Amino acid sequence: AQKITQTQPGMFVQEKEAVTLDCTYDTSDQSYGLFWYKQPSSGEMIFLIYQGSYDEQNATEGRYSLNFQKARKSANLVISASQLGDSAMYFCAMRERSGYSSASKIIFGSGTRLSIRP
Amino acid sequence: DAGITQSPRYKITETGRQVTLMCHQTWSHSYMFWYRQDLGHGLRLIYYSAAADITDKGEVPDGYVVSRSKTENFPLTLESATRSQTSVYFCASSESLVGSYEQYFGPGTRLTVT
Repeated sequence: AQKITQTQPGMFVQEKEAVTLDCTYDTSDQSYGLFWYKQPSSGEMIFLIYQGSYDEQNATEGRYSLNFQKARKSANLVISASQLGDSAMYFCAMRERSGYSSASKIIFGSGTRLSIRP
Repeated sequence: DAGITQSPRYKITETGRQVTLMCHQTWSHSYMFWYRQDLGHGLRLIYYSAAADITDKGEVPDGYVVSRSKTENFPLTLESATRSQTSVYFCASSESLVGSYEQYFGPGTRLTVT
């Protein structure tokens, strides 16, 4: 069964520093996708970045990048030059199997609460 | 308004009562999902739907019922609410389950069962 593990329940980082949020996953499929979402204190879920299992390059979106190490089954989120507004819960998620199957679905890790210190 | 909406945003109900949480999306996305969010568990998938009249169980479906008679609506019903169903419920939709298509989430419904 697929599984997502986020081992850091909480992190404190100084403003302007870079931060890495860990995510490891377990799947027996060759085709899968990895997502990161941000959930600020207001509660909404905000999509940040996506990495496909066959993508050779690490995904980047502005200050967000995904450090994808396929052999280690890890998909860590890196936030460069952290800002106070980055304080939030961050969830790693994985979609497994071919997208054409109705059995394909996304599961989430338990999240990491990131707090940025001024 | 375009997007995905949930109603009610807050609900308090008593044990044993039936309650329905509504979800509506305006994008005509094929795929819709219901999650519950509890401290320490992240988001857990309750049910999902690939199209109108096609639904399937997720990780924690017991005690919940869904239907999808129209593409844009995906209501979640708790047939006999229990205290363990106190949670924040998120509805989500997605255009596709292939590639980088992300899920778009509604604002959530905070349900308290007393």
